[in-house]
Amino acid sequence: AQTVTQSQPEMSVQEAETVTLSCTYDTSESNYYLFWYKQPPSRQMILVIRQEAYKQQNATENRFSVNFQKAAKSFSLKISDSQLGDTAMYFCAFMRDFGNEKLTFGTGTRLTIIP
Amino acid sequence: ETGVTQTPRHLVMGMTNKKSLKCEQHLGHNAMYWYKQSAKKPLELMFVYNFKEQTENNSVPSRFSPECPNSSHLFLHLHTLQPEDSALYLCASSQVIGGGLNEQYFGPGTRLTVT
Repeated sequence: AQTVTQSQPEMSVQEAETVTLSCTYDTSESNYYLFWYKQPPSRQMILVIRQEAYKQQNATENRFSVNFQKAAKSFSLKISDSQLGDTAMYFCAFMRDFGNEKLTFGTGTRLTIIP
Repeated sequence: ETGVTQTPRHLVMGMTNKKSLKCEQHLGHNAMYWYKQSAKKPLELMFVYNFKEQTENNSVPSRFSPECPNSSHLFLHLHTLQPEDSALYLCASSQVIGGGLNEQYFGPGTRLTVT
């Protein structure tokens, strides 16, 4: 069974600063997918960024980027130039492979951006 | 309506009541999911439906009964719940295709309180 661990229950950072959220996972699979989801207060969960394990290049989406270390089973999220709208719960998630639709989530990190 | 909608948004019910949660997706997807989100716990996958057929029941107690009449609608029928069933229930949908990654789109959730 796969497990996802987010060791930072809460974080806060000043607006415009850079913050990194950590995520580690455990799996015996060689091919899989990793995701970061964002859940703003009282709003819907949305996908922030995703990474295919077979790709060595780290995924980036505008201000969001990941540091994917496959050997270490680490998948951190970096948010650059943080904005007030980035305040949310962030969940790291694992999917074994395509065709297997089960997402395994971590417990989340509550990120607060301070004005 | 766009995306994934859920009704009601909030529900308070007694342990002897029977109620239903409704989810509707407007994205043309063919897979739908129920998740349970409890405080300080990872999101738990409850049920998966692919093409209206249940493909996953993650050891969910029988007091939760899902129904998927078509690929756009998903229900969760509730009866004789326990206080520990109080949680945010999230619905999601995705397009399951052969090959490729299928992002799950989430609804806003139903906040359920069992008294």
